Amino acid sequence: KAGVTQTPRYLIKTRGQQVTLSCSPISGHRSVSWYQQTPGQGLQFLFEYFSETQRNKGNFPGRFSGRQFSNSRSEMNVSTLELGDSALYLCASSRGQGIDYEQYFGPGTRLTVT
Amino acid sequence: AQTVTQSQPEMSVQEAETVTLSCTYDTSESDYYLFWYKQPPSRQMILVIRQEAYKQQNATENRFSVNFQKAAKSFSLKISDSQLGDAAMYFCAYRGNRDDKIIFGKGTRLHILP
Repeated sequence: KAGVTQTPRYLIKTRGQQVTLSCSPISGHRSVSWYQQTPGQGLQFLFEYFSETQRNKGNFPGRFSGRQFSNSRSEMNVSTLELGDSALYLCASSRGQGIDYEQYFGPGTRLTVT
Repeated sequence: AQTVTQSQPEMSVQEAETVTLSCTYDTSESDYYLFWYKQPPSRQMILVIRQEAYKQQNATENRFSVNFQKAAKSFSLKISDSQLGDAAMYFCAYRGNRDDKIIFGKGTRLHILP
């Protein structure tokens, strides 16, 4: 069974631009969570989607948004990029929602904002 | 709010020796899971071991075991017979029943000395 895939793997953008990252969960998984990883702040939860609905959201500004499609694939969007948005963005999928379901992580998208 | 603290930013261990990584957490919830994740230089986050809070018995997975002290809110990871492939960043993580996002510690970078 294929793992969680994220595209693109690397991305370079300029301040002020917007970016869309994609995450394809493991087949049969309906929950997708996003995390931002930076050297300074570590791993921080962005949001979680289950059955196309946002179920949980971390403490990030409104420039960060996401959505989930009917096939469980998810995208996250960052508008008006800032230098501080440079990070590794990790996506994780699980079969269901709740702590009994293990989350499986993708390889991440490395975003560099210049 | 729940917090996870890893007080050792870096550790080194001789190959074949045993090493213990420390983690403390804070929560007011009674039902939760604790995890240790491994992130090798390739960046793919991998679950090493998990512990359900209601289980008194410490979890073990081959060479990996935990020392879960619920009253002290301590959750350390012991790696026995360390191997070169164990070199990675290790994250201690918490996931509660009320809000099932994963909260990560800052990580401990483990070096294996040949």
